[in-house]
Amino acid sequence: QSVLTQPPSASGTPGQRVTISCSGSSSNIGSNTVNWYQQLPGTAPKLLIYKNNQRPSGVPDRFSGSKSGTSASLAISGLQSEDEADYYCATWDDSLNVYVVFGGGTKLTVL
Amino acid sequence: EVQLVQSGAEVKKPGESLKISCEGSGYTFTNYWIGWVRQMPGKSLEWMGIIFPGDSDTRYSPPFQGQVTISADKSIRTTYLQWSSLKASDSAMYYCARKGVVSSDPIDSWGQGTLVTVSA
Repeated sequence: QSVLTQPPSASGTPGQRVTISCSGSSSNIGSNTVNWYQQLPGTAPKLLIYKNNQRPSGVPDRFSGSKSGTSASLAISGLQSEDEADYYCATWDDSLNVYVVFGGGTKLTVL
Repeated sequence: EVQLVQSGAEVKKPGESLKISCEGSGYTFTNYWIGWVRQMPGKSLEWMGIIFPGDSDTRYSPPFQGQVTISADKSIRTTYLQWSSLKASDSAMYYCARKGVVSSDPIDSWGQGTLVTVSA
C-alpha cells in the first residue's frame, strides 16, 4: 500500500486533456513539494515535473503540475500516443524515516 | 551529461549473496545523494535507502533496514546495493537514482535498472 494515492488507471483519446491525481497527507504533500515521473514501458522512470509545477528542460509544455493542500495533480493536454505510460507522483514524508515516498502509479492509456 | 550506469542482470539462487553497482558520471559525484529504488513486476516504485558518497552517510527505509546494505566507493564513483542471503521475494528491477542535497530537490536522474531474478 503506497503512502500517496493515485488512481490505478486513466485514459483519453488523442488531443484530449487528462488529469491524474495524487492524494497524501499533511506530513507529506501538505508540507513538501511534489514531483512527477513518467515511466514508458520497459524503461526507467524519467523526471517530468518537479517542485509541484516546474518542467525540466526538454519536457513539453503539454505537461503541467499543480498542488493544493494535501493533493497534487498532473495534467496532460493535447494527448499523444507516445504519452501512454505509467505516471508516479513522489514527495517525502516528514513522519517517516524515508527520503522519498511514491504514489502507486497511474497507467495512462491513449485510446 | 549526467549518467548513472548500472551493472547487468543477475540470476541467483535463494541464499546466495549479491552486490550490484551504479557508476555515476557527468557531475560531481560527491555532491549528490544516490538512492536505490525497487520495482517488483507490475508494481509501483519503492524507496529502499540513500547514501551520500561524500561521507557515506546512509539512511534506510524501514522495510529495507537490515535486509540490504548500501555502500559507496567515491574513488571510482560507484555506489552499491548488496544482499547477504537472497530470497525469491527479492526478484525485482532495481534502480539507482540521483538526488540533490536540498530536501526539495527531486530525483533527477535514474540508472537504466538492474533486473535481479532469484529462483531455485
